[in-house]
Amino acid sequence: DTEVTQTPKHLVMGMTNKKSLKCEQHMGHRAMYWYKQKAKKPPELMFVYSYEKLSINESVPSRFSPECPNSSLLNLHLHALQPEDSALYLCASSQESSGVKNIQYFGAGTRLSVL
Amino acid sequence: AQSVTQLGSHVSVSEGALVLLRCNYSSSVPPYLFWYVQYPNQGLQLLLKYTSAATLVKGINGFEAEFKKSETSFHLTKPSAHMSDAAEYFCALGNQGGKLIFGQGTELSVKP
Repeated sequence: DTEVTQTPKHLVMGMTNKKSLKCEQHMGHRAMYWYKQKAKKPPELMFVYSYEKLSINESVPSRFSPECPNSSLLNLHLHALQPEDSALYLCASSQESSGVKNIQYFGAGTRLSVL
Repeated sequence: AQSVTQLGSHVSVSEGALVLLRCNYSSSVPPYLFWYVQYPNQGLQLLLKYTSAATLVKGINGFEAEFKKSETSFHLTKPSAHMSDAAEYFCALGNQGGKLIFGQGTELSVKP
């Protein structure tokens, strides 16, 4: 089973709202990722967690706050977003976070609209 | 620096025709390469991967790709296109830090 589950599938929020995206995997993977994807573009890496610790932050604005409560769960907390933050947010996981052989498995994504 | 180039942002084929999606890479170390497919409103699904074993890699849904070091290429092919193959296809290069370096993607359309 190579399933990564993301909830919710769709989210509409105002610029003053606080919301969270959730990602879950039960493959025993020790690395988890958040990506942002705009239409017709490749995913852009935002954060990487390795063994529940934040290992990479790709200079993401502080209005995005990741959290890894345990090895199976990854959250992305959203606050005071801008309309340009509207995008598909993808979660991925892999066995480890380093090494070129790492295979990342992606969830179906959360489609976020910021009004 | 490592990079991936996908030639053609949009490819259109007729149902039953050969599918050829092009990917070239640049890497100073032996590359590990992946093809992912993204159907509308979905996440990315791994089609196949090259990790230095066989140069001809078979994937899911009848796709295969051939690694050619001399041409720094990893083109994706399928002998006979099906309507359900219409999607966005991404070639990606794995780097030492575990990141994926994506190409810009190729949208495949299949005409009946």
